[in-house]
Amino acid sequence: GAVVSQHPSWVICKSGTSVKIECRSLDFQATTMFWYRQFPKQSLMLMATSNEGSKATYEQGVEKDKFLINHASLTLSTLTVTSAHPEDSSFYICSAIFGGRANNEQFFGPGTRLTVL
Amino acid sequence: AQSVAQPEDQVNVAEGNPLTVKCTYSVSGNPYLFWYVQYPNRGLQFLLKYITGDNLVKGSYGFEAEFNKSQTSFHLKKPSALVSDSALYFCAVRDIMRAGTSTLTFGKGTMLLVSP
Repeated sequence: GAVVSQHPSWVICKSGTSVKIECRSLDFQATTMFWYRQFPKQSLMLMATSNEGSKATYEQGVEKDKFLINHASLTLSTLTVTSAHPEDSSFYICSAIFGGRANNEQFFGPGTRLTVL
Repeated sequence: AQSVAQPEDQVNVAEGNPLTVKCTYSVSGNPYLFWYVQYPNRGLQFLLKYITGDNLVKGSYGFEAEFNKSQTSFHLKKPSALVSDSALYFCAVRDIMRAGTSTLTFGKGTMLLVSP
């Protein structure tokens, strides 16, 4: 149980285009989903926290107009990278928790490799 | 602010030998500590966690970690390494300053290389 999927697993796009990444909890309802960004050989950096039915909470330094997050249902959150540029190329990972307790474990998706040409 | 330190960028060990991946933390209050493993181009897989109770925590794939409050450490260990254990390992601590959330702060990661 507690499987999180991401789609696509990798994407290549041209500079200036927008890319949507989906994060789904397959066998549980995720009250909260997180979006992380990981550069090569570096740690995960939290970008935003997404709660179903409400606006995402972005970390300091993350442009909310560039990285649009929508958590429309308890099983799906989407991250849209708008007007992507080469510096947006990265590995994007989502995670999800279920239930309302603060000590609930995060379940991670397999990640999406974005390359912007 | 809380933080997690993984002092080693890389750990090399021969197959069959014991391995240790180090992690120290800095938090105010009681720490919730986690270890995750990441294989190339994959998401993170949960290994184990310490919330409370026994200082020695056993997790997946034969890994264990020892919580040491006086040394503020949570080192990951395995008695006998396998080549398939080669991966990137992350230590993480729950952000307890954000009440009611499960936000994690990650260390920078340690690459474990197990040679045949």
